[in-house]
Formats: sequence, C-alpha cells, structure tokens
Amino acid sequence: DVKVTQSSRYLVKRTGEKVFLECVQDMDHENMFWYRQDPGLGLRLIYFSYDVKMKEKGDIPEGYSVSREKKERFSLILESASTNQTSMYLCASSRRQGRNKLFFGSGTQLSVL
Amino acid sequence: AQKITQTQPGMFVQEKEAVTLDCTYDTSDPSYGLFWYKQPSSGEMIFLIYQGSYDQQNATEGRYSLNFQKARKSANLVISASQLGDSAMYFCAMRVINTGTASKLTFGTGTRLQVTL
Repeated sequence: DVKVTQSSRYLVKRTGEKVFLECVQDMDHENMFWYRQDPGLGLRLIYFSYDVKMKEKGDIPEGYSVSREKKERFSLILESASTNQTSMYLCASSRRQGRNKLFFGSGTQLSVL
Repeated sequence: AQKITQTQPGMFVQEKEAVTLDCTYDTSDPSYGLFWYKQPSSGEMIFLIYQGSYDQQNATEGRYSLNFQKARKSANLVISASQLGDSAMYFCAMRVINTGTASKLTFGTGTRLQVTL
C-alpha cells in the first residue's frame, strides 16, 4: 500500500518552542507539500518542494521553514511556535507528471499553549 | 491567482437521495485540473474524482460525477444514492498546469455533508 506517513498524530508544544513535523512518502514522488487546515478556511499551502533541496513558498509561509534533504522526506519547522499556529497540518505528495493527484498523510493536530 | 469558492458550508441529504455540492473556480489559465476530495471524521483526505479542462466529457467515478460547466467556471460534485458513509467534509481543488516548478493544488473552504436516515 502506498503511503504518506506523518510522524505524530497529536502534538502539544509550548509557545516559543522549536517544532519539527516530519513527513515520509514511499511512492518516489518528486513533489511534496505542507498544508494547514483550519475550520472555515479550508486547506492553505505553506510550502512545497519539487525536488531534493528545492523549496518554494506557498500562500502562508510566514513563521515556517522546510527541509528536504532526501527525496522521501519533507520536514516542516516552526522556529518559534506561537498560539496562532495551533492547527491541523497535512503533508501530501504527488508525481511531477500526470494529473499530480495529491496523496495525503493522516495529519498532525498541533496545539501550541 | 487561482481561487476556488465553495459557498455551502453545510448540507443535509436523506439517505438514497442525490446531492450536489457546488464549486466555482477562477483562473485565467486555459489548462487546469479540478479535483474533489472527501475528508471523513477520521481526518484522512480521500481522492474522489478529477476533471481536466480539456476533457470533453464530464468525469464519473461510481456514484460520483462531476458536472463541469466550463463557461460558468463551475465544477459541481454530484453524489447519487447517498449513503450514511458519505457524511464527511468535501473539498474542491484546482491545479493550474504549466506553472513551471510544481503544480500545486488550491483548495476551497469545504462543504460538510450530513446524510440522514
């Protein structure tokens, strides 16, 4: 079964902490994405990557950074977590060619206290 | 910039009835793809159906069909013979092709569908 795996389902952190959200895919996909999901706002793109070490800002990159050192792994970093970053974070991957259908992980619910 | 609009925050439908979830989009690019995803309460995102902008026929996948009206820029999802398991959040999304580095999906705000007995 093809998979996108996010390391944590639930995470509780304190304001100011550095937070790492990890995502691994086993489909050899070139593209990987980080979205956050908030009620009434849908999914909003934070960052995406189309190749190893390559990244591009999405629609709401402020307060976040990313790392892609290996093709299968894409990390989202909150340098100094704030309460307004409490959200559901969804990782996804897709092939570069074709329909670019996204395959999603099961999400990480992050609470920043 | 691309935009997806889903104007129905919530919908109710009776079991075995058909339901239409609305989606309109905005893009000036002639080449694009439209997706629908389902998100049950478990949180996973499940791909349902895809429509390309140059596809001549409306897409269908089992009980799901996409009512694609290009001139009106709408891509409504039709679910026939609703089942209790269809209760979920539904997201419409668009991908503009030929954006260079990577084709990213822009999502709407979602419609929560509740199927009742």
